[in-house]
Amino acid sequence: GENVEQHPSTLSVQEGDSAVIKCTYSDSASNYFPWYKQELGKRPQLIIDIRSNVGEKKDQRIAVTLNKTAKHFSLHITETQPEDSAVYFCAAGILGFQKLVFGTGTRLLVSP
Amino acid sequence: NAGVTQTPKFQVLKTGQSMTLQCAQDMNHEYMSWYRQDPGMGLRLIHYSVGAGITDQGEVPNGYNVSRSTTEDFPLRLLSAAPSQTSVYFCASSSRDGYGYTFGSGTRLTVV
Repeated sequence: GENVEQHPSTLSVQEGDSAVIKCTYSDSASNYFPWYKQELGKRPQLIIDIRSNVGEKKDQRIAVTLNKTAKHFSLHITETQPEDSAVYFCAAGILGFQKLVFGTGTRLLVSP
Repeated sequence: NAGVTQTPKFQVLKTGQSMTLQCAQDMNHEYMSWYRQDPGMGLRLIHYSVGAGITDQGEVPNGYNVSRSTTEDFPLRLLSAAPSQTSVYFCASSSRDGYGYTFGSGTRLTVV
């Protein structure tokens, strides 16, 4: 089955810096890669996703890149703000089969 | 729309007791899933369903039962609670095209 590894487990940056979180997956059949943000005590919320037919997707300060050959994908947050502080999860799965496998999470701390 | 509604929000059980975690969605989503979240382990899939009457096991199904008699509801049953089932449980749903899960607010379960 699918296995997703996520690094780093914690990431501390200064406000305004960029943050990068990386994930690798094992199942070459996976074609859908969402990212979730979870604030303390809250539910995970989808922030961006990418399908395997594109290599990059951007939404304002957030971007995701995908390298299918190497089976890894990354989340990039630019101009970080304190409200970006949260735990971020990557996931991988196959559209239509709904067995999303999640990484173990990255705790991002943005200091003012 | 209420989205995905989970009840109860908090529950304390004694070892050996049984209970049902309720999950309902009003978005007419075909797909529903149950995840458990433990510190340092991300979100792990317990059971999922691709439609009424259809369920399947995820990564960690032991000790849990599910059924899907309607599109809206997907209850999770703990048969005989064990301390290892102390966790936060999230229900999630998505449409057939699978573009991202909508998560419920979670149930924090403690087994003593």
